[in-house]
Amino acid sequence: NAGVTQTPKFRVLKTGQSMTLLCAQDMNHEYMYWYRQDPGMGLRLIHYSVGEGTTAKGEVPDGYNVSRLKKQNFLLGLESAAPSQTSVYFCASSQGAEGTQYFGPGTRLTVL
Amino acid sequence: KQEVTQIPAALSVPEGENLVLNCSFTDSAIYNLQWFRQDPGKGLTSLLLIQSSQREQTSGRLNASLDKSSGRSTLYIAASQPGDSATYLCAPFNDYKLSFGAGTTVTVRA
Repeated sequence: NAGVTQTPKFRVLKTGQSMTLLCAQDMNHEYMYWYRQDPGMGLRLIHYSVGEGTTAKGEVPDGYNVSRLKKQNFLLGLESAAPSQTSVYFCASSQGAEGTQYFGPGTRLTVL
Repeated sequence: KQEVTQIPAALSVPEGENLVLNCSFTDSAIYNLQWFRQDPGKGLTSLLLIQSSQREQTSGRLNASLDKSSGRSTLYIAASQPGDSATYLCAPFNDYKLSFGAGTTVTVRA
């Protein structure tokens, strides 16, 4: 039981490049989330999904897109990376809306 | 918008001392509240989840209380150990999301 895994662990991009972060969970959870963590800002919700095929905007969705084609996977895309998107990205999942959220190990992204 | 404040921002104690970490939040209409631990460069580990109908929750040396009406939660860690050194985050849940404070960074000296 791996829990929540994230790929890749580290990535460096140049401004304007695109990339996709992958989150996978093996707990059969319905809800999945993407957060970013920045010094002095805490963790902020980017997008979330309440089930396969659904997505919704969180607190800071601009510049990101997401997809949930399979229940176990939640993808976060950056179409045109900007230096302001330099951050640590965390994925989380939970069984229900109010259940315990379990977090992945994070992806450290640097945009030059 | 939910605002979460954690006091103190940092804490250094000798091994064996009890820890008291405070969390306050502005919107009391929450469904639950989670306490997390984060080690440097790592993800978040869930410690406790308190439902809005509960007053406290315990797990081993950890005890968390919740006073929803006043917008406060406190995490108590008994008989601290060097392995307890980490950043502790409080996160109330409402509007389909957790809102996080900046955390309390704890150092337990051997």
